[in-house]
Amino acid sequence: DTAVSQTPKYLVTQMGNDKSIKCEQNLGHDTMYWYKQDSKKFLKIMFSYNNKELIINETVPNRFSPKSPDKAHLNLHINSLELGDSAVYFCASSQEGGAISNEKLFFGSGTQLSVL
Amino acid sequence: DAKTTQPNSMESNEEEPVHLPCNHSTISGTDYIHWYRQLPSQGPEYVIHGLTSNVNNRMASLAIAEDRKSSTLILHRATLRDAAVYYCTLLGPGSNYKLTFGKGTLLTVNP
Repeated sequence: DTAVSQTPKYLVTQMGNDKSIKCEQNLGHDTMYWYKQDSKKFLKIMFSYNNKELIINETVPNRFSPKSPDKAHLNLHINSLELGDSAVYFCASSQEGGAISNEKLFFGSGTQLSVL
Repeated sequence: DAKTTQPNSMESNEEEPVHLPCNHSTISGTDYIHWYRQLPSQGPEYVIHGLTSNVNNRMASLAIAEDRKSSTLILHRATLRDAAVYYCTLLGPGSNYKLTFGKGTLLTVNP
């Protein structure tokens, strides 16, 4: 069983469309994250949710809206897609999150989003 | 935010040890040092972490300098499957408890 799974693996869409990426973790973790890896391979945190509550919200355009129906799922919805949104998006989870310094993050295998 | 500095790339031969350095001169007292790696077309994978003492696990060893301003990830016998980008990062109050990643070190393993 994959610990952190995200779908779809590839997403090709036109500018202006709205799309969602789904993420599920079966580790029983309390915190989930979204990261974005751009073409230069920098990996940046976007959001984190702890038990369905938003904890981290970096300076991400409000076209990006995370939704957590339960603590095992964190979906990323993107409105009005732009060319610059093309990147690989990674979901991750950790057992507790918050002000914890010594825990591990478990990452999914990524969703490659291409906006044409 | 606490920052780390790593060489852009390193090369090794299969079956030989690899020492991947990382500088973190602005580390705060309770920040943990974490290492992750990212294999091609995959998500980052946890490797090891430590605070002050050297750490060993089945994947690697982590040697932490006494002043904690640098650390070294040691792969005891590199294999072709260890070819990846290795990220050294800090997690704790100095990073606002956010795990962030720099450019990392691209490790090439020669057969």
